[in-house]
Amino acid sequence: KQEVTQIPAALSVPEGENLVLNCSFTDSAIYNLQWFRQDPGKGLTSLLLIQSSQREQTSGRLNASLDKSSGRSTLYIAASQPGDSATYLCAVRPLFLHEKLTFGTGTRLTIIP
Amino acid sequence: DTEVTQTPKHLVMGMTNKKSLKCEQHMGHRAMYWYKQKAKKPPELMFVYSYEKLSINESVPSRFSPECPNSSLLNLHLHALQPEDSALYLCASRHGGGPYNEQFFGPGTRLTVL
Repeated sequence: KQEVTQIPAALSVPEGENLVLNCSFTDSAIYNLQWFRQDPGKGLTSLLLIQSSQREQTSGRLNASLDKSSGRSTLYIAASQPGDSATYLCAVRPLFLHEKLTFGTGTRLTIIP
Repeated sequence: DTEVTQTPKHLVMGMTNKKSLKCEQHMGHRAMYWYKQKAKKPPELMFVYSYEKLSINESVPSRFSPECPNSSLLNLHLHALQPEDSALYLCASRHGGGPYNEQFFGPGTRLTVL
């Protein structure tokens, strides 16, 4: 059974710093991995989708990497801003039953002004 | 336009009430989803519709009844809910026909069952 873990569960960093969020998964049989952010009480906003054949995807200040063989993905946020404060979730789409995204446990990020 | 809309934003209902949640998208997506999310937990899949047919039911109690009247609209009918059903209900959609596409979520309906 696929398990997706995000460590740490919570992270606080001063504004302006670069930071990395981690996502680990146990089964490498995936189509892709998607990163989301969620503000309190709100829906999920898609940030980046990275296919299993890709190593990186970039959007603005965000860069996601994927190492399928080691079961790891990272989300790099450059020059952090208070507006980046949110919970970040990664989710993998499995090869089998691909309609069922498996979500990570999330990292709650706080950017300190 | 990558928007999934949900109504209402908030819903308070008693255990004997019947209510419905509505989800709409106009992106031409053919896969639509209902998720339930409790506080500080990731979303849990409830139902998947693919090309307007129910393809996955994650053993959800029958007091939750999904409906997909057309390719743009997804409903979740609620009846005789329990207080533990209080949660954020999220709708999502994705371009159907393959596993490579991005999934988009709506803003959710915050449900409170008294």
